[in-house]
Amino acid sequence: DAKTTQPPSMDCAEGRAANLPCNHSTISGNEYVYWYRQIHSQGPQYIIHGLKNNETNEMASLIITEDRKSSTLILPHATLRDTAVYYCIVSHSGNTPLVFGKGTRLSVIA
Amino acid sequence: GAVVSQHPSWVICKSGTSVKIECRSLDFQATTMFWYRQFPKQSLMLMATSNEGSKATYEQGVEKDKFLINHASLTLSTLTVTSAHPEDSSFYICSARGGRNQPQHFGDGTRLSIL
Repeated sequence: DAKTTQPPSMDCAEGRAANLPCNHSTISGNEYVYWYRQIHSQGPQYIIHGLKNNETNEMASLIITEDRKSSTLILPHATLRDTAVYYCIVSHSGNTPLVFGKGTRLSVIA
Repeated sequence: GAVVSQHPSWVICKSGTSVKIECRSLDFQATTMFWYRQFPKQSLMLMATSNEGSKATYEQGVEKDKFLINHASLTLSTLTVTSAHPEDSSFYICSARGGRNQPQHFGDGTRLSIL
């Protein structure tokens, strides 16, 4: 079973920041937080991952709370092409398969 | 970044035929690859872990004789759906990790339709 909880859906106005929350209260000390997104009829796309510290790349920022029980994915300036299902997954690094929950369906509205 | 390629992207065939799907890591070697299945409006479900040079590990409820996995090289894993039936119609996706401490990357999936 997935070890994360995400809202089923969210809307965001185009050009605004999209903040997607994720709860992972049972995360263990050596598990990472991964974010992927899936645009309709495509394979999941890697966005970002982190262990303890906040992370930023060209796609997004990941904010992890100090107790690591929750995190937020931030898309700083959402565009219509960011409309997708976003999955938050906790997993060990190495060759552990990712277990997908239901994710959050983000709709970016013009 | 790491790229995982799947082929074919879609296939339509008659009930009873076998279908082979290829998953390749294009710019890295993958000792382990993963196969997922996704039904409409559902999330991805892990089917099996493909290990180079050894037998695949199947998740509970996945028939190993139905879904044959071969991982003959460090860059190629294949999934063969044997004697496919309409209930096997689904979106099949593979993934591989680019290296130690690297995230998994996914192929673009294969949409299988059995008539």
